[in-house]
Amino acid sequence: GAGVSQSPSNKVTEKGKDVELRCDPISGHTALYWYRQRLGQGLEFLIYFQGNSAPDKSGLPSDRFSAERTGESVSTLTIQRTQQEDSAVYLCASSFDRVNEQFFGPGTRLTVL
Amino acid sequence: ELKVEQNPLFLSMQEGKNYTIYCNYSTTSDRLYWYRQDPGKSLESLFVLLSNGAVKQEGRLMASLDTKARLSTLHITAAVHDLSATYFCAVSNSGGGADGLTFGKGTHLIIQP
Repeated sequence: GAGVSQSPSNKVTEKGKDVELRCDPISGHTALYWYRQRLGQGLEFLIYFQGNSAPDKSGLPSDRFSAERTGESVSTLTIQRTQQEDSAVYLCASSFDRVNEQFFGPGTRLTVL
Repeated sequence: ELKVEQNPLFLSMQEGKNYTIYCNYSTTSDRLYWYRQDPGKSLESLFVLLSNGAVKQEGRLMASLDTKARLSTLHITAAVHDLSATYFCAVSNSGGGADGLTFGKGTHLIIQP
């Protein structure tokens, strides 16, 4: 079956612009997660959705970052007024329930010039 | 705050040798995961460990969990070149409910012929 998909795969933007990243989870997965991976680093948790609610927003690095999810489907991560330090790969993952592993998408590589 | 430490962070070994990667975490957790990441690729789930004493094996890889010591190990037996990758352990952030994971910095493994 189809895995987690993300778009775009690459995004180059200028400092100060807004960007929107999209994630399509695996069908039937109620939980959805966003992570950020800087070059050569581990993953940094950003936000988690259960259905379309986000009980854990603790990882969002600043108020320039926001995310929403439509039902148990698509999620978008929006970064406003991008900064160079936002450059990273943004990974989305989904899972069926709390005890199963998270399945990761291919990521969106964001470069802020 | 949950912290996850992996060691070593970099490992170069010869084919046919055995080695162990260690993952320590700082607070009680009920789930630990091992992931593999190839260069430029997303994360592939290897193991999910849910209870003290859990041991799982897949091919030349074996993972174990000691919740009392807050330690997981990933053992590589008779390494082959195809196992070259970065390996991450990740621990759930809370005791219940689907939620974000805290990742170690990863172990960059190179297996030389």
